[in-house]
Parts: sequence; structure tokens; C-alpha cells
Amino acid sequence: KQEVTQIPAALSVPEGENLVLNCSFTDSAIYNLQWFRQDPGKGLTSLLLIQSSQREQTSGRLNASLDKSSGRSTLYIAASQPGDSATYLCAVTDSNYQLIWGAGTKLIIKP
Amino acid sequence: DGGITQSPKYLFRKEGQNVTLSCEQNLNHDAMYWYRQDPGQGLRLIYYSQIVNDFQKGDIAEGYSVSREKKESFPLTVTSAQKNPTAFYLCASSLAAGTDTQYFGPGTRLTVL
Repeated sequence: KQEVTQIPAALSVPEGENLVLNCSFTDSAIYNLQWFRQDPGKGLTSLLLIQSSQREQTSGRLNASLDKSSGRSTLYIAASQPGDSATYLCAVTDSNYQLIWGAGTKLIIKP
Repeated sequence: DGGITQSPKYLFRKEGQNVTLSCEQNLNHDAMYWYRQDPGQGLRLIYYSQIVNDFQKGDIAEGYSVSREKKESFPLTVTSAQKNPTAFYLCASSLAAGTDTQYFGPGTRLTVL
């Protein structure tokens, strides 16, 4: 059974720092991996989608990598800003076309 | 504006009551989903629908029911059989079921009194 883990559960860094969020999954048989952002009490916004055949995707200050063989993905945020404060979730599409979710990393950027 | 709307934003339920959460989309998406989110846990799939008049159970369907009579609408009923319904409920849609990106509504927070 596919399991997705995100460590750490919470992270606090000063504004301006570059940071990395981690996501790991137990079964490499995935179609894609997605990173989402969730603001408190709100819905989710898709940030990046990496197909299983890809190694990385970039959008602005965000870069997501995927190493399917080791079951790992990272989300790199450059030059962090207070507006980046949110919970970041990763999810994989498994062999049954279902999204399997991590519990998220709560990120706080201190001004 | 295209998007997904959920109502109400907050909902309170007494023990033994059924309540219905609304989800509407104008993105012309075929697939729609209902998830439950609890603190410290990943989202869990309740039901999904790939096309009108068709839906399948997800991982935690017990105590819930859905209908898909129109492409735009996918309401979720939380029945009295759901023993612990207090949670944040999220509706999503995608162009097709499978590997397409899912777009989410703003969520409904349900509290049992």
C-alpha cells in the first residue's frame, strides 16, 4: 500500500532564506507527483506537477524534483517571503489512479 | 470566473442529523471528488465520480452518500451513521479521472454539536 510521508511536520525560517521541503513515498509505481499549497482554513492550490518520466519542474521561485527510484521528492523555495507561509502538501497518483496524500509541512516565514 | 464553489463555509450538525454539503463547478470537468481532512493527516478520499450518474467509493465512504445528477454538481450527504463527522471537507474536480491536476474548492468545516 502506497504511503506518503512529509518531514518535518513544521518548519520556521527567517525571510530571505532558501529552503527545502521533503516528500517520500513507498511505492515507485506512480504516474505523477504533485505539490499543493494550503492556506489556513482554505482549499488547496496546485503548485507543480511532475510526471513520472520527469526529473524536475520549475515555476518562479519554486523548483520540485522527483527521484522515483528512491521514492523521494523535494520542493525548493528560493528567497522565501512571508507570503510563502502556508501548509505544503505532496500527493502521488498511484497505479489505481488515486491520489495518495502526505500530511503536509506547515511553513512559517518570519519577517 | 471559472472555479469550484462549496457551501456552506461552516456547518453545525446535531447528533442524529443528516446534512448535505454542496459542491458546484463551472470548469466543464468530468471528474469530481470529495475528501476529508483531519488535523495531522493527509487528505482521505470519500467518493469520486468520473462521469454524470456514476460514482465510486473511496477509502472512507462509510456513513456518507453522494449523487451526480448534473455534470456541475456533486453534493455530499453526511449521514447519522458517520460516527465522527467533525472535519474539514474538500471538493475537487479534474478534466478527467486519473492523472489530471485536481482543482479544489474552498472547503466546508463541519462540526457536530
